[in-house]
Amino acid sequence: QKEVEQDPGPLSVPEGAIVSLNCTYSNSAFQYFMWYRQYSRKGPELLMYTYSSGNKEDGRFTAQVDKSSKYISLFIRDSQPSDSATYLCALDSSYKLIFGSGTRLLVRP
Amino acid sequence: NAGVTQTPKFQVLKTGQSMTLQCAQDMNHEYMSWYRQDPGMGLRLIHYSVGAGITDQGEVPNGYNVSRSTTEDFPLRLLSAAPSQTSVYFCASSYSFGGAGRWPQHFGDGTRLSIL
Repeated sequence: QKEVEQDPGPLSVPEGAIVSLNCTYSNSAFQYFMWYRQYSRKGPELLMYTYSSGNKEDGRFTAQVDKSSKYISLFIRDSQPSDSATYLCALDSSYKLIFGSGTRLLVRP
Repeated sequence: NAGVTQTPKFQVLKTGQSMTLQCAQDMNHEYMSWYRQDPGMGLRLIHYSVGAGITDQGEVPNGYNVSRSTTEDFPLRLLSAAPSQTSVYFCASSYSFGGAGRWPQHFGDGTRLSIL
């Protein structure tokens, strides 16, 4: 079993939709949870991170962590075609950093 | 423009050949790392450095060497290329090793490497 699972997609939504991207994990030692965005043929960029459980909002993006269910989510409100990219989750336990394999998102104009 | 620069962008090698992937950053970041990205497997850490003269192994170090003689440069060497090393390689930097600084913050655009 992989330590972190992420649906590869692609997830195709119309412009303006609310997008939900998710990761599940198996190791309860993870304490920091990050989301990276990767455009085609580019390196990933760190979008946002959360510590432990709860929500964190940054503009149109909201990161949510449910440690009891070992489930993390990234919500994108009012999605734009420029949001089309692959989104990677990453989990940190202070001694180990694990990346998900990414979900490809396509926002149709 | 500030950031992480990787060269070359593409490379094709024959099995057994050696080569060096170059990585340079101009942000004076102490922490640099190399990842490989394969379909369905996510980013995996190859080697990392917490400062000039200090390097350590990551999750998948076999077949690769690194050195860090300056803060700016962190080259990755393939000793004897194998088809299993066909991948996209990313170099990354962060402003520190501790806490949030250890997460890769700035990535280069990658080197796409094919081993025949």
